[in-house]
Amino acid sequence: GAGVSQSPSNKVTEKGKDVELRCDPISGHTALYWYRQSLGQGLEFLIYFQGNSAPDKSGLPSDRFSAERTGGSVSTLTIQRTQQEDSAVYLCASSLATGTIPEQFFGPGTRLTVL
Amino acid sequence: AQSVTQLDSQVPVFEEAPVELRCNYSSSVSVYLFWYVQYPNQGLQLLLKYLSGSTLVKGINGFEAEFNKSQTSFHLRKPSVHISDTAEYFCAVGGSYIPTFGRGTSLIVHP
Repeated sequence: GAGVSQSPSNKVTEKGKDVELRCDPISGHTALYWYRQSLGQGLEFLIYFQGNSAPDKSGLPSDRFSAERTGGSVSTLTIQRTQQEDSAVYLCASSLATGTIPEQFFGPGTRLTVL
Repeated sequence: AQSVTQLDSQVPVFEEAPVELRCNYSSSVSVYLFWYVQYPNQGLQLLLKYLSGSTLVKGINGFEAEFNKSQTSFHLRKPSVHISDTAEYFCAVGGSYIPTFGRGTSLIVHP
């Protein structure tokens, strides 16, 4: 069984450009999370999807960030008009719908560098 | 509300020595606790978890952790570390559908 996959593994872009990061969760996992990990920092929660419910977007740092999840599976995180402070590793995780016991399975991350 | 404090940002240790990585938490709901490990250029991998029952939890790679409710702690231990244990370790608390992670502890094992 495949784990969580993310693409691309590395992305270098110029300030002001838009980027899209992709996450393929484990098949059957209904919950999907995006996190941002800056150098030397912990995990910053960005957004949470659960099934067909409205996503919890409370962690998105600005309106330049958005995410969608199509068909309850693949998710795309979009950052518009990228800034240098957006440089970080973006991690995706998925889990079974186990309520308040979210044992998460993480992808390898996408390292974003904004020049 | 819930929070996690990892008291040490970096822990250097010699190979074959014991190690303890400290984690304290606060939570206003039921407590579920996790330790994850992140090797360089990889995602996080679950080491162990406490959901209920025995307060001593054993995980992969010889790690264990003890849940201490009175001290609100969930410290991670290993009796003898290897070079390959060099990694970033994250403590996390569940209890709501979005777990809260600590800032991580970098374990550096020297030969």
